[in-house]
Amino acid sequence: DAKTTQPPSMDCAEGRAANLPCNHSTISGNEYVYWYRQIHSQGPQYIIHGLKNNETNEMASLIITEDRKSSTLILPHATLRDTAVYYCIVRVGGGNAGNMLTFGGGTRLMVKP
Amino acid sequence: GAVVSQHPSRVICKSGTSVKIECRSLDFQATTMFWYRQFPKKSLMLMATSNEGSKATYEQGVEKDKFLINHASLTLSTLTVTSAHPEDSSFYICSAINLAGEQYFGPGTRLTVT
Repeated sequence: DAKTTQPPSMDCAEGRAANLPCNHSTISGNEYVYWYRQIHSQGPQYIIHGLKNNETNEMASLIITEDRKSSTLILPHATLRDTAVYYCIVRVGGGNAGNMLTFGGGTRLMVKP
Repeated sequence: GAVVSQHPSRVICKSGTSVKIECRSLDFQATTMFWYRQFPKKSLMLMATSNEGSKATYEQGVEKDKFLINHASLTLSTLTVTSAHPEDSSFYICSAINLAGEQYFGPGTRLTVT
């Protein structure tokens, strides 16, 4: 699986949009971009994933560049409860691939009042 | 979304004893489950892949005789830390994959070995 690079930490003001970048310049054509987050002392929580098109769900939006070498996770209106470590992971297969996830260092997002 | 549970959520044990951690998929069947460990302020590290009805596949550097994994049914995998030592103290997290390939994580088990 391709490696990802994320800033180790970011701050965001409550109510503002949080934009978390991820570089995955060696991504292969069949690799998806996944985002998970981990709130302190809890298991990781799935947020969103995509292949090449931008995706949006109730939690966030995922913007993938046209060359797929980077992506941005957007939390449109960050709340204090969004404070967590956010992991960007690239992995083969968006469906029944059954592959394990390889976690990098992630970005520690601190939402401040 | 699908629910994965772990039991216990916290456990304290003495050096030399064994501890069993359960991982259950509550509303779906999981042919594959994964076990991770996480040290403070570090990322998750995969320990092993647990497949129902077959032997687990361990990552390099993980002792299979120390970390016994049993995936006896489609909804339950167990991790037993044998002869635990203080350096085994960690946060252990399991995940389960449903038939659609979606992976869901348990809430984690914090093990403290004294």
